[in-house]
Amino acid sequence: DAGVTQSPTHLIKTRGQQVTLRCSPISGHKSVSWYQQVLGQGPQFIFQYYEKEERGRGNFPDRFSARQFPNYSSELNVNALLLGDSALYLCASSLASDTEAFFGQGTRLTVV
Amino acid sequence: AQSVTQLGSHVSVSEGALVLLRCNYSSSVPPYLFWYVQYPNQGLQLLLKYTSAATLVKGINGFEAEFKKSETSFHLTKPSAHMSDAAEYFCAVTLDTNAGKSTFGDGTTLTVKP
Repeated sequence: DAGVTQSPTHLIKTRGQQVTLRCSPISGHKSVSWYQQVLGQGPQFIFQYYEKEERGRGNFPDRFSARQFPNYSSELNVNALLLGDSALYLCASSLASDTEAFFGQGTRLTVV
Repeated sequence: AQSVTQLGSHVSVSEGALVLLRCNYSSSVPPYLFWYVQYPNQGLQLLLKYTSAATLVKGINGFEAEFKKSETSFHLTKPSAHMSDAAEYFCAVTLDTNAGKSTFGDGTTLTVKP
């Protein structure tokens, strides 16, 4: 079975640009979460979506947005990129309210 | 609010020695606690989880952790380190069963010396 897949794996963007990251959850998982992991730190919760509705939002500015599609895949959008947005962005999928989240390998975003 | 503190950003042990990685949490309600491992350029893999059942939790690869409410701790241990255990380890907490909204510590890098 395929795990959580994220695309692209690496991305380089210029300050001020916009970026879209994509995530496909494990088959049967209806919840997708997004995390930002800055180098040297633990992942920080950005969003969780379940059945296309936002279930939670972390302490991130409005430049960050996300959505979930009918097939439960998800996109994370970041507008007006800053150098500080450079990080590994992780997607995790889980059952509705489950004590296990499965992580993808992440998208490494570099803002120059 | 919830938070996690991992004591020691770097831990070095010899192969075959005991591994002890420390995690303390802060939570206003009984928490659910997790340990994850991250290898270079990879995502996170769940090692074990505490969900208010047994306080001693056994996970994969010979790791275990004990939930101690009085000490607000959830330290990770392994009796005998292997070279393949070298990685970064993260402790995480959530206030409900929803592991998708976890708060993570800053991680501990484990080095295993031959």
